[in-house]
Amino acid sequence: DGGITQSPKYLFRKEGQNVTLSCEQNLNHDAMYWYRQDPGQGLRLIYYSQIVNDFQKGDIAEGYSVSREKKESFPLTVTSAQKNPTAFYLCASGDTWNTGELFFGEGSRLTVL
Amino acid sequence: DQQVKQNSPSLSVQEGRISILNCDYTNSMFDYFLWYKKYPAEGPTFLISISSIKDKNEDGRFTVFLNKSAKHLSLHIVPSQPGDSAVYFCAARLGNMLTFGGGTRLMVKP
Repeated sequence: DGGITQSPKYLFRKEGQNVTLSCEQNLNHDAMYWYRQDPGQGLRLIYYSQIVNDFQKGDIAEGYSVSREKKESFPLTVTSAQKNPTAFYLCASGDTWNTGELFFGEGSRLTVL
Repeated sequence: DQQVKQNSPSLSVQEGRISILNCDYTNSMFDYFLWYKKYPAEGPTFLISISSIKDKNEDGRFTVFLNKSAKHLSLHIVPSQPGDSAVYFCAARLGNMLTFGGGTRLMVKP
């Protein structure tokens, strides 16, 4: 089955800890994205990568880091520097040069205790 | 500065009637517009899109209209069904980037 897999679905973290969210896709897409959704708000772009070993900051990159060592994988690390990390995190991939359609994973809900 | 806005946070419609969801944008360089549907605790799923060179695109019960002069697009769902109840996001493309609106929660009452 082709798609995007995010893990874990739910994650709890103590303040001051880093945590890494996994995102894997087998759709052979070049571009991958991380978005954050807060209650009642839209999706805000954290980081994106258009090709392996390259990535760019989105609108709210502070306190986050990413890597893109493989085409299929785009993990997001939420660092202790992120002041308000409790949120729903969505990973997406796409060949946006076509219609712009992105395919999303099921999301990961991070709660900081 | 929000480049894509959905000014109605929620909309309630009776089953069988038309649902109209609206979206405004400010950047005239956007070349593609998309609508996504999202259920709670799930990722958004693609619904329908429209190129900036067109003014209408239809797919079954879903039609998207684009008014470039007004920088406005709308999604029409006819007839509305209870299963359509979800949050709908409009998005606009520039290069490899999608910018999303804040979403509109649609509730279709039986």
